[in-house]
Amino acid sequence: EADIYQTPRYLVIGTGKKITLECSQTMGHDKMYWYQQDPGMELHLIHYSYGVNSTEKGDLSSESTVSRIRTEHFPLTLESARPSHTSQYLCASSVRGHEQFFGPGTRLTVL
Amino acid sequence: QQPVQSPQAVILREGEDAVINCSSSKALYSVHWYRQKHGEAPVFLMILLKGGEQKGHEKISASFNEKKQQSSLYLTASQLSYSGTYFCGTESSSGYALNFGKGTSLLVTP
Repeated sequence: EADIYQTPRYLVIGTGKKITLECSQTMGHDKMYWYQQDPGMELHLIHYSYGVNSTEKGDLSSESTVSRIRTEHFPLTLESARPSHTSQYLCASSVRGHEQFFGPGTRLTVL
Repeated sequence: QQPVQSPQAVILREGEDAVINCSSSKALYSVHWYRQKHGEAPVFLMILLKGGEQKGHEKISASFNEKKQQSSLYLTASQLSYSGTYFCGTESSSGYALNFGKGTSLLVTP
């Protein structure tokens, strides 16, 4: 079944740790996105990709990095987590002109 | 690049109608509408494409004025299940990233 997956779903870590949030989709979509969202607040686009080896930064300044080595995989990495990174991170994928599918999200808490 | 949504919040009684607006300063290729409930990921409602094509489901309709770069989402005979935050997302003619507005919080009461 075509779907989009995110792991872990919940993560609590200490300040200074390096973390990678995983996102995979089985729909063959060329476009993938990472959004950051605080509870009840707006969706901030932090990274997106048009396809393999293509990544762009979004409107929200972020200390994270992404890579797109395979079509289905779009991981997000924080080299040194800080309490200000505490938020929900949503991954999404789409084909231009069609519905954008969201993953279930990763709730990150940095102590 | 972020589209502007209005109103910020709406409170309705069950059965009443509501309109949520979305406008952009850029020429648009498409407008997307999503609804998000607390603690969940956004759920797709509808997409409106330049040229008039629409794709969506549920008993919700929308319009897209290409000349004004504006879209409106029409919620008629609202149900309790319509409560949530509604986001419009816009895809410009020159770009490929979907940018979302700040959202409209909708509460339907019995």
